[in-house]
Amino acid sequence: ETVLTQSPATLSVSPGERATLSCRASEYVSTKLAWYQQKPGQAPRLLISDASTRATSVPPRFSGSGSGTEFILTISSLQSEDFAVYYCLHYNSWPPYSFGQGTRLEIK
Amino acid sequence: QVQLVQSGAEVKEPGASLTLVCKASGYTFNHYYIHWVRQAPGQGLEWMGLINPSGGGTSYAQRFQGRVTMTADTSTSTMYMEMRRLTSEDTAIYFCAKDQEFSSSSHPDFWGQGTLVTVSS
Repeated sequence: ETVLTQSPATLSVSPGERATLSCRASEYVSTKLAWYQQKPGQAPRLLISDASTRATSVPPRFSGSGSGTEFILTISSLQSEDFAVYYCLHYNSWPPYSFGQGTRLEIK
Repeated sequence: QVQLVQSGAEVKEPGASLTLVCKASGYTFNHYYIHWVRQAPGQGLEWMGLINPSGGGTSYAQRFQGRVTMTADTSTSTMYMEMRRLTSEDTAIYFCAKDQEFSSSSHPDFWGQGTLVTVSS
């Protein structure tokens, strides 16, 4: 089973600054990786598919990169609505699908 | 627009069973797999399994094999997830989510609002 490890667990960033979130896979997953945003009391929202393709209506300040085992989600200029928990998910070989444990992005 | 509307909150005793409902609209029901994902209080996301509404084929995470059954009713565009032998560790929010890929499995794109399940004596 492929394990996804996200870092850091919590990231404190000021509005307007850049945030960089990492997701590392224990095995090769090609570019079969997605990123989700979850705000308190809400369902997750798909941000990025296939490591780097923004989902519909996702602002361009969100970008994804990486392949193989190392992936990055970058938020170029943080807005107040971006403070949330972010999860990565791999879908290269399943079952099972597996999520990372999440990175909490908080206001500094 | 795509909608996944889930059934309301449930409170169950340990050892009981429950069936959660997820009703889809706004897209061609038969053409997109549905995932079920749960989230324990204050915890991360856990994938439970998926169902292909066209034909009813399923795939479950190993830890849920034999305890969870996912079904789909194409006549009403509704998915069901039955879970048996509940314990307090099953207390969580349960989400259904539509797959992004047409007639295949890839990853969830659109999610239901979630159903809170509380297991307590």
